[in-house]
Amino acid sequence: DTGVSQNPRHKITKRGQNVTFRCDPISEHNRLYWYRQTLGQGPEFLTYFQNEAQLEKSRLLSDRFSAERPKGSFSTLEIQRTEQGDSAMYLCASSSADSQLNTGELFFGEGSRLTVL
Amino acid sequence: KNQVEQSPQSLIILEGKNCTLQCNYTVSPFSNLRWYKQDTGRGPVSLTIMTFSENTKSNGRYTATLDADTKQSSLHITASQLSDSASYICVVSPDSNYQLIWGAGTKLIIKP
Repeated sequence: DTGVSQNPRHKITKRGQNVTFRCDPISEHNRLYWYRQTLGQGPEFLTYFQNEAQLEKSRLLSDRFSAERPKGSFSTLEIQRTEQGDSAMYLCASSSADSQLNTGELFFGEGSRLTVL
Repeated sequence: KNQVEQSPQSLIILEGKNCTLQCNYTVSPFSNLRWYKQDTGRGPVSLTIMTFSENTKSNGRYTATLDADTKQSSLHITASQLSDSASYICVVSPDSNYQLIWGAGTKLIIKP
């Protein structure tokens, strides 16, 4: 399978626990994005990487959220001290950078659904 | 403020019928407009991407139009099938690939 892969697909945790989601992008894609989506809403941008560099992180929802892409391949999104309001679908996407045309198509994974009890 | 508004919020049609979904945006500058299909509980899948100079683009039974002057786009679905039941999201890119402005989507239900 050469698509974007996310794990786990579902995570149920108790409030206050830490959770980590993993995203494996399409192998030749150098850009990787994290989004959050709540029911009935469009995806909300969180952060993105070009190779291993995190180029935008101001949209991360709070300092409890952090993301890494240590070797420019897979990425992790960690939420510390989870709250009930963190319950959502966390989506990962990847694309090839095309700075000239800026029409890079995003390929999304199936998402990781988080439920905080 | 950059915004993308979609209408209707939801739509129910019978299998085999056509339908048109609307998208109005107030995004500046403008780079491109995208339509995504999202099945319940799944990630979005790209249907079309249109730049400023393109005013129509087709992908099978899906045809998107763009009027950059009025800042409106539509997605027309021909001969609907049960598998078309999904949310359809309009997305506008201002000037950088990561800064996409997402609409809330139109939830389409196809009934047999």
